[in-house]
Amino acid sequence: DPKIIQKPKYLVAVTGSEKILICEQYLGHNAMYWYRQSAKKPLEFMFSYSYQKLMDNQTASSRFQPQSSKKNHLDLQITALKPDDSATYFCASSQAQTGVQDTQYFGPGTRLLVL
Amino acid sequence: AQKVTQTQTSISVVEKTTVTMDCVYETRDSSYFLFWYKQTASGEIVFLIRQDSYKKENATVGHYSLNFQKPKSSIGLIITATQIEDSAVYFCAMRDTEGADRLTFGKGTQLIIQP
Repeated sequence: DPKIIQKPKYLVAVTGSEKILICEQYLGHNAMYWYRQSAKKPLEFMFSYSYQKLMDNQTASSRFQPQSSKKNHLDLQITALKPDDSATYFCASSQAQTGVQDTQYFGPGTRLLVL
Repeated sequence: AQKVTQTQTSISVVEKTTVTMDCVYETRDSSYFLFWYKQTASGEIVFLIRQDSYKKENATVGHYSLNFQKPKSSIGLIITATQIEDSAVYFCAMRDTEGADRLTFGKGTQLIIQP
């Protein structure tokens, strides 16, 4: 069974619309992350959450909003979509504790195409 | 700021041989963590191996091993007895305390294993 689930696998949206990318992890981890991979740039960190609290935000635009309704969920809401938002969005998780770094494991990704 | 550089865009080797992929990094921290991931043709990102900066011994997992040269800020990935299934894009990544939990990735090296 997959340990990190991302839904949907593919998503096509129109410019200006809003979409939510879903991520659930069943690894018992307490830290979750979002990364983006586009054709123009390597994998880029977006957000990190630990115990459902925002720890780090490297996304300049407020159009991207993570949402954590449960400990093992970290969704990503994207508003006012632009063609440049087209990318594959990866969710990741780790067992993170203060002062201890741990390995991040990635979900299968959601491929977003904005027309 | 953290930076990870992979200069090899693509490598092609014959099956069952050994291949080395290069990675150099920049960090101001004395403590940091280095990772190698591979991205398969399906887009899945898989963790392979890690090296913690304070450990002197090179990490080894299965047919993956690392060549950690701290004075040169270099972390090479060595794959021995390559198999067709090893064909993928390989990413080097780093975490340090300045960057909190986020991973900084290199641009990746495409590995092609030929029969």
